Amino acid sequence: DTGVSQDPRHKITKRGQNVTFRCDPISEHNRLYWYRQTLGQGPEFLTYFQNEAQLEKSRLLSDRFSAERPKGSFSTLEIQRTEQGDSAMYLCASNDRNTEAFFGQGTRLTVV
Amino acid sequence: AQSVTQLDSQVPVFEEAPVELRCNYSSSVSVYLFWYVQYPNQGLQLLLKYLSGSTLVKGINGFEAEFNKSQTSFHLRKPSVHISDTAEYFCAVSVRDNAGNMLTFGGGTRLMVKP
Repeated sequence: DTGVSQDPRHKITKRGQNVTFRCDPISEHNRLYWYRQTLGQGPEFLTYFQNEAQLEKSRLLSDRFSAERPKGSFSTLEIQRTEQGDSAMYLCASNDRNTEAFFGQGTRLTVV
Repeated sequence: AQSVTQLDSQVPVFEEAPVELRCNYSSSVSVYLFWYVQYPNQGLQLLLKYLSGSTLVKGINGFEAEFNKSQTSFHLRKPSVHISDTAEYFCAVSVRDNAGNMLTFGGGTRLMVKP
């Protein structure tokens, strides 16, 4: 296993467009997390899946954001009608009950 | 709710000197503690973790940290830094026995190692 994989690594989009990011967790991990990291800050929790069930959502996750994990494997994070304030690094992490979180390399979103 | 404070946003240090990066946390329940390192445009890599047992934990790359419950601190130390240690370091907590294990991060400390 090569670890947590995120695609794309970089995305530049115009304000108002929709974007979708993908995360492939470590295969045996049933838990998957999305975090957002703005420049000069620590990551902030967005949402958490256990298998295909979305069990926690942060108040940071506005109604323009939606995340799915349809078969309990990969996950997607969609942002609709992007705003400049959405510019950030979006990090995905996975683990199982007995391990620490392993992070992907992130998707850097720039909204122009 | 939990919170994590990293008291220094930047720490400049000369190569081969010792370094300490400070972390304090606040929580009404027991927590697990972590230090992660982030290199430019990369994800986070775990340096070390405290779950239970000995309060002195050793991690990768020669780093260690000490859990101090009375001071609610988890400071990271290295006796002799290398240029390659230049990176952003994040302290984080998660709630014990919480099914989700979501992490709450501090704001980060940029370690700058100078030759």
